Amino acid sequence: NAGVMQNPRHLVRRRGQEARLRCSPMKGHSHVYWYRQLPEEGLKFMVYLQKENIIDESGMPKERFSAEFPKEGPSILRIQQVVRGDSAAYFCASSLGTGGQPQHFGDGTRLSIL
Amino acid sequence: AQSVTQLDSHVSVSEGTPVLLRCNYSSSYSPSLFWYVQHPNKGLQLLLKYTSAATLVKGINGFEAEFKKSETSFHLTKPSAHMSDAAEYFCSNNAGNMLTFGGGTRLMVKP
Repeated sequence: NAGVMQNPRHLVRRRGQEARLRCSPMKGHSHVYWYRQLPEEGLKFMVYLQKENIIDESGMPKERFSAEFPKEGPSILRIQQVVRGDSAAYFCASSLGTGGQPQHFGDGTRLSIL
Repeated sequence: AQSVTQLDSHVSVSEGTPVLLRCNYSSSYSPSLFWYVQHPNKGLQLLLKYTSAATLVKGINGFEAEFKKSETSFHLTKPSAHMSDAAEYFCSNNAGNMLTFGGGTRLMVKP
């Protein structure tokens, strides 16, 4: 009865390195969402994906951030050339559908930039 | 544009007393509203959802919320707080592809 699985739970990177965050949705869910939680800004939407498609990336920073959800395997949120300001908790959620369907969240990846 | 406002950033209650966490929303169409709870270092757990079927929604762990269109509110209540309810609570509105969250309310429960 696995829920949304995120790994790693904690990730430490030095400035300029790359961070890769993984998310496996709940079984049967084909809709994946990424959110970022910053201490002073709360929870913000980043991107919404379905298999092999980015549907809405209106919340993604224009540079250094990318996301994918391949046909096989987990969804990946990738941050290139990390900076201190990228330190945050990144949450993945999945749902059966859109609209009124509830989103179910993973426990997050806490990214720390040295 | 959708927005969600949680009116209190912190609420403190004594164990066994009622809990009220306030949420107001703005939406250009019929909203889909949710309450989530977040315990330290964990993800968000769904407490309950409103999707226009009934205005009084019952959730898990004894929580419920009432949708009031005239007041654009969706306040979360529980008759009797338990120590394990201490956490951060988020009200959210589903705007199609994304959840828009309020700023959160940290609930503290005193013994």
